[in-house]
Amino acid sequence: DTAVSQTPKYLVTQMGNDKSIKCEQNLGHDTMYWYKQDSKKFLKIMFSYNNKELIINETVPNRFSPKSPDKAHLNLHINSLELGDSAVYFCASSPPTTVYQETQYFGPGTRLLVL
Amino acid sequence: QKEVEQNSGPLSVPEGAIASLNCTYSDRGSQSFFWYRQYSGKSPELIMFIYSNGDKEDGRFTAQLNKASQYVSLLIRDSQPSDSATYLCAVSGGTSYGKLTFGQGTILTVHP
Repeated sequence: DTAVSQTPKYLVTQMGNDKSIKCEQNLGHDTMYWYKQDSKKFLKIMFSYNNKELIINETVPNRFSPKSPDKAHLNLHINSLELGDSAVYFCASSPPTTVYQETQYFGPGTRLLVL
Repeated sequence: QKEVEQNSGPLSVPEGAIASLNCTYSDRGSQSFFWYRQYSGKSPELIMFIYSNGDKEDGRFTAQLNKASQYVSLLIRDSQPSDSATYLCAVSGGTSYGKLTFGQGTILTVHP
């Protein structure tokens, strides 16, 4: 059983296009995340949602808009794609943070290439 | 100063040796510390987490945390070629509350 799934796995598109990436988790977690991993493999958080509410929004261009229709889904829409958006985007989920951060489980990633 | 810093490597060890991976962090308020392994083209997978000072062992893996020195390490005993991967250190808590802040990763190669 897939715990955290993402679609599509690969996405090749032209500059200026708008695209969406979908994420679903069946772990029953309340918290979901989007991370971006650049070409140097540096993994950085973009957004975090807890039970459909945005709780973390790092300094991400407003061309990126997350949306959580329910606590099992977190989608990422990107407008006006730029060359620099090429990266691997990982979705993750975890139980809510208390004193300690709970383990985050990552999806397989979506490899985005902007031409 | 980077928030989480790792030796980028690559670190090369012979099969059967101990691989030692190091990580330092800048935020003294950090509470939770994680080691993830990432194979090429795959997603990060958790190896270990540690919250308290000292050592935590799980099979061939030992995580060590020293909050006074702001230092966390991962030892891999009896290294195997299948351990060859990028190892990511991540911290949470303090200014990273509710999220993971990752280091840049250390590439480990275990050669037969």
